[in-house]
Amino acid sequence: KAGVTQTPRYLIKTRGQQVTLSCSPISGHRSVSWYQQTPGQGLQFLFEYFSETQRNKGNFPGRFSGRQFSNSRSEMNVSTLELGDSALYLCASSSFLAGVYEQYFGPGTRLTVT
Amino acid sequence: DAKTTQPPSMDCAEGRAANLPCNHSTISGNEYVYWYRQIHSQGPQYIIHGLKNNETNEMASLIITEDRKSSTLILPHATLRDTAVYYCIVGDMRFGAGTRLTVKP
Repeated sequence: KAGVTQTPRYLIKTRGQQVTLSCSPISGHRSVSWYQQTPGQGLQFLFEYFSETQRNKGNFPGRFSGRQFSNSRSEMNVSTLELGDSALYLCASSSFLAGVYEQYFGPGTRLTVT
Repeated sequence: DAKTTQPPSMDCAEGRAANLPCNHSTISGNEYVYWYRQIHSQGPQYIIHGLKNNETNEMASLIITEDRKSSTLILPHATLRDTAVYYCIVGDMRFGAGTRLTVKP
């Protein structure tokens, strides 16, 4: 099986701009989660989508949004970028079987806001 | 917030066993314990999971106490490539700060 893919891998944006990141999950996985990782805050949960519906949400402002398509691919959008949004954004594709919830992470998109 | 507590850092000599502890005193009866690791600048990698019994796979062993309030991940023969941040997770996949394991020659 192909792994989780994220595009783009690197991105440089300017304050005030918006950005859209994409994630393609492992085939057959219907759940996609997004995380933000910064040196100061560690790995923080943004939101999870399952079958095109947001199932869980972390504690991030409304500038951070996401969606999931019928093929399970997901996008996240950050509007009005701030310098503090510079981070590694990780997508995880999940399977839930017999009570076991396994996440498989993509390589991440490194966003730099200048 | 994460439901787990881990030491921030540990060192281990190459070739020796690395034992990484995790406290999860508020774990619910049906929640699994998961371990992931993250090598610098890569996405976290799944290692192992367990519910009540001890588990072993090609990467590691997981020892869960009888009361399920703590667990230990064991890397039996640590190599330099095992240097990473190790995360212990319970329940809803909220990651804590993890343990930074440094394997030294």
